Amino acid sequence: AQKITQTQPGMFVQEKEAVTLDCTYDTSDQSYGLFWYKQPSSGEMIFLIYQGSYDEQNATEGRYSLNFQKARKSANLVISASQLGDSAMYFCAMRDSNNNNDMRFGAGTRLTVKP
Amino acid sequence: EPEVTQTPSHQVTQMGQEVILRCVPISNHLYFYWYRQILGQKVEFLVSFYNNEISEKSEIFDDQFSVERPDGSNFTLKIRSTKLEDSAMYFCASDRDSYNEQFFGPGTRLTVL
Repeated sequence: AQKITQTQPGMFVQEKEAVTLDCTYDTSDQSYGLFWYKQPSSGEMIFLIYQGSYDEQNATEGRYSLNFQKARKSANLVISASQLGDSAMYFCAMRDSNNNNDMRFGAGTRLTVKP
Repeated sequence: EPEVTQTPSHQVTQMGQEVILRCVPISNHLYFYWYRQILGQKVEFLVSFYNNEISEKSEIFDDQFSVERPDGSNFTLKIRSTKLEDSAMYFCASDRDSYNEQFFGPGTRLTVL
């Protein structure tokens, strides 16, 4: 069964510093996709970054990078140079063929950026 | 930039009433989804829909729930007889290929009294 684990219910980071949000996953599928979404207090789900299981390089999108360690089944999100607007819930998610490629989410991490 | 839209943004209903939540996916997308997020909790998969039929549904998606694509643009979620525990944010999402990122609508907050 597919499972996404985010072990940090809450994280704090000082403005302008980097922060890592943890995500581990479990799947028996060889082909899968890993995603991070941001949910600010307004409630919408904002796509941040994607990593395919066969991608050899870690994904990067601006200040977001994904530290993909396939053998450890981890897909941690790194946010560099944190900004106050980064304060939000962050959800890790996965799609694999075991679940018809439907997206399943972790419990989320609430990030608070301190000025 | 095209986006997924949902109406209404907030729906208040009495327990036992039927509600229909509406979504307009991005026009060239083929796969459609509904998710639920109870306040303060994680986003839970409800159902996926492709080629005018349900592809997969979770254990949450019981006989009280149904989905429909009544025309070429709308995708609806119906809850036949709402319960208090159905109070949640309901997100619609769509994508082109079921592999890459899904595009989420802004959500409908359902409150069952």
